[in-house]
Amino acid sequence: AQRVTQPEKLLSVFKGAPVELKCNYSYSGSPELFWYVQYSRQRLQLLLRHISRESIKGFTADLNKGETSFHLKKPFAQEEDSAMYYCALSSNSGGYQKVTFGIGTKLQVIP
Amino acid sequence: GAVVSQHPSRVICKSGTSVKIECRSLDFQATTMFWYRQFPKQSLMLMATSNEGSKATYEQGVEKDKFLINHASLTLSTLTVTSAHPEDSSFYICSARSGRGRGNEQFFGPGTRLTVL
Repeated sequence: AQRVTQPEKLLSVFKGAPVELKCNYSYSGSPELFWYVQYSRQRLQLLLRHISRESIKGFTADLNKGETSFHLKKPFAQEEDSAMYYCALSSNSGGYQKVTFGIGTKLQVIP
Repeated sequence: GAVVSQHPSRVICKSGTSVKIECRSLDFQATTMFWYRQFPKQSLMLMATSNEGSKATYEQGVEKDKFLINHASLTLSTLTVTSAHPEDSSFYICSARSGRGRGNEQFFGPGTRLTVL
């Protein structure tokens, strides 16, 4: 069974402070990890995925297989970063793709 | 970017009736579509995965006879909630994956709010 854990339901930081949204997963194979973001009154959208190894809107996330983590980081939070962030794990088995989302973390950036 | 639409955005129905929700990929062909359910202040719960032209694969605990999924074309999937009851009231979200050049990225619809009276 695969599982995604986001331990914090709410994370409040001041503008300009560093941000780290935690995500841990459990999966026996090689997973594909994603971070999705949902801004207020907007639909879910992809923020970044581990295979791209890119920085989007200043956010980065590194897959740490030893710690089974995929934490989302940004060095300086901005007010427009306030949103719900979901960590997701995608796996393929026999042609069937299974996706599991974490419970989500609400990021609140205080001006 | 790729766009996924859902219709209707909101539906209110009486208990015992059936409701159909459509999910369309507007500018790409979706080889796989996903249906999720989201309860208030909770995460997305995957209900089923459907590949075009084949039967949907349901997650454990999801009644396939109650939540009928049809993925008849590469741009359309439908979810029919049969004999709806108040406990089926929820926010239903679909997503689509093209699988071509975009890997396993999913594009989400705006969701459908179902209220069963």
